[in-house]
Amino acid sequence: DIQVTQSPSSLSASVGDRVTLTCRASQDIMTYLNWYQQRPGNVPNLLIYAASGLQSGVPPRFSGSGSGTDFTLTISNLQPEDFATYFCQQAYRTPYTFGEGTSLDI
Amino acid sequence: QVQLVQSGGGVVQPGRSLRLSCAASGFTYSTRSMHWVRQAPGKALEWVALLFFDGKTQYYADSVKGRFTVSRDAFENTLFLQMNSLRAEDTAVYFCARDQGNSFGHSFDFWGQGALVTVSS
Repeated sequence: DIQVTQSPSSLSASVGDRVTLTCRASQDIMTYLNWYQQRPGNVPNLLIYAASGLQSGVPPRFSGSGSGTDFTLTISNLQPEDFATYFCQQAYRTPYTFGEGTSLDI
Repeated sequence: QVQLVQSGGGVVQPGRSLRLSCAASGFTYSTRSMHWVRQAPGKALEWVALLFFDGKTQYYADSVKGRFTVSRDAFENTLFLQMNSLRAEDTAVYFCARDQGNSFGHSFDFWGQGALVTVSS
């Protein structure tokens, strides 16, 4: 199975900050890497598809980059509603593994 | 618009069975692959199963292989997850999710609201 490792596991930031979350795959997954946001008690919400594609309706302060094994999610100008947990997911090969998540809080 | 409405969660004893449903509107399952994803309390998301848009090709996580079966009713446009021989470690919120397709990195663009399955004696 392809392992997906996220770092950091938690991150403290302030409104207006710029933060970068990372995700590393255990083997080359090209750009089959997706990012989701999950607020407490809510359903996951797709932010970035195929490493860098901005999902429709997602604010442009979210951006993704990377290919192969190393990927990043950058959030610029943090807003109060951005404080949540972020998961990356590889969709190169089943099982479509998720990372353990990065909890972003104030 | 696209909606996925789930039903069927509950409390079940170890070794018993349960079936989850995911009714779709706004699109038909014959055009999209569908997934089941679960999340144990306070834990990360875990991919569980995939049913291709052809309605036949299936893939499963090792943790559920041989016990869970994904299927669909094309007429009712409903996806199912049949869970047999349930274990305590299957306790989780189960989500159905729609696959956007290869051009979108097989990302999951719409999710059901989730159904809590608790396996306990």
